[in-house]
Amino acid sequence: SQQGEEDPQALSIQEGENATMNCSYKTSINNLQWYRQNSGRGLVHLILIRSNEREKHSGRLRVTLDTSKKSSSLLITASRAADTASYFCATDARNAGNMLTFGGGTRLMVKP
Amino acid sequence: NAGVTQTPKFRVLKTGQSMTLLCAQDMNHEYMYWYRQDPGMGLRLIHYSVGEGTTAKGEVPDGYNVSRLKKQNFLLGLESAAPSQTSVYFCASSSLQETQYFGPGTRLLVL
Repeated sequence: SQQGEEDPQALSIQEGENATMNCSYKTSINNLQWYRQNSGRGLVHLILIRSNEREKHSGRLRVTLDTSKKSSSLLITASRAADTASYFCATDARNAGNMLTFGGGTRLMVKP
Repeated sequence: NAGVTQTPKFRVLKTGQSMTLLCAQDMNHEYMYWYRQDPGMGLRLIHYSVGEGTTAKGEVPDGYNVSRLKKQNFLLGLESAAPSQTSVYFCASSSLQETQYFGPGTRLLVL
């Protein structure tokens, strides 16, 4: 079974709007990572947030982590057509030997 | 720095044929990983390595073998390819509990 599960599975918004994606997981983690994947391409790392952190920012990206609820969210502000991609959360679970477990992803479409 | 590179980029095999995928990283990372990604899904870990000369099974190891003879290289082998192994294969590397850096992927089609 997958450790991380993203919600929603698909999201369509207009350029300029904000996009929020959520990730839930099941076990204790060392960190949680968000990746972007453009169609037919490899994964690009966006943000790593550690279990003792609650929020991190990188440019237009904001990630929150709530370990009590075992959930994380990725917010993309002022979205652009170039943000169209699939977004995956991945968890580095404790006692899992530095392995990442990926969710199924959120497919984001930003319409110009 | 090239980061993580993978060869080949694309390959077509017939059922029963064998092949080796090569992953190379120039970041001096201890950890290396092989994942597969099927259409519309996330990545699933096949095998991984925590250092030169060591390998371990991931979530979906059956039908694959790996070797890590040099720190910078991680090889994934398919001894007898099956249509169920049609997928996109990604290699990644990292330091302990840090960001994993991914290669561009290898598309494999098994007929």
